Amino acid sequence: EVQLVESGGGVVRPGGSLRLSCAASGFTFNNYAMSWVRQAPGKGLEWVSGINWGGGTTVYADSVKGRFTISRDNAKNSLYLQMNSLRAEDTALYHCARNDGAVAGPSDYWGQGTLVTVSS
Amino acid sequence: EIVLTQSPGTLSLSPGERATLSCRASQRLSSGYLAWYQQRPGQAPRLLIYGASNRATGIPDRFSGSGSGTDFTLTISRLEPEDFAVYSCQQYGYSPNTFGQGTKVEIK
Repeated sequence: EVQLVESGGGVVRPGGSLRLSCAASGFTFNNYAMSWVRQAPGKGLEWVSGINWGGGTTVYADSVKGRFTISRDNAKNSLYLQMNSLRAEDTALYHCARNDGAVAGPSDYWGQGTLVTVSS
Repeated sequence: EIVLTQSPGTLSLSPGERATLSCRASQRLSSGYLAWYQQRPGQAPRLLIYGASNRATGIPDRFSGSGSGTDFTLTISRLEPEDFAVYSCQQYGYSPNTFGQGTKVEIK
């Protein structure tokens, strides 16, 4: 069974940093591209970032470019999102998702998410 | 970036009725790179349709997707109680991926 479990969320002040992790199991992790998608309270889904199977290709939404860094450790079956210079508008539930295909592909499995709250 | 506009915002229907949801893109999507997701309250999104018209694994055949270019449609032929949820479209043909704002299908 495919499982994606996010961790690392919490409350942080504006300008602060957080590192999210996603532990993957139930599939061959290094065969798949992965994504982070967030959902602000009461809002729709927003794609944040994607990474290819080997980590050599990364893509970011304009809203996080230069502040967030996606990475992966295939030996540990883990996906990461380093978030710096956090803003109030980054407050959201952050999901990791497996991509069915390329970095830009649709996401066929999702985790339940980890909540990030940016507040002073 | 490509903007996806979904309509209507809310659809009020009864079980057994047909639901038709629309997703319009601000630019033509190459090769129909459009997906649909269902999200029930408190749950993660679930992939329903990819490539505009292909059902994902395990998705019942009452769900169907159609369209090309800039106009896409998700149809639920006969609503079951578990189908009342929020539906979002996503384009993945142009970087960055983008989602529509969602359509809520609620019980009338």
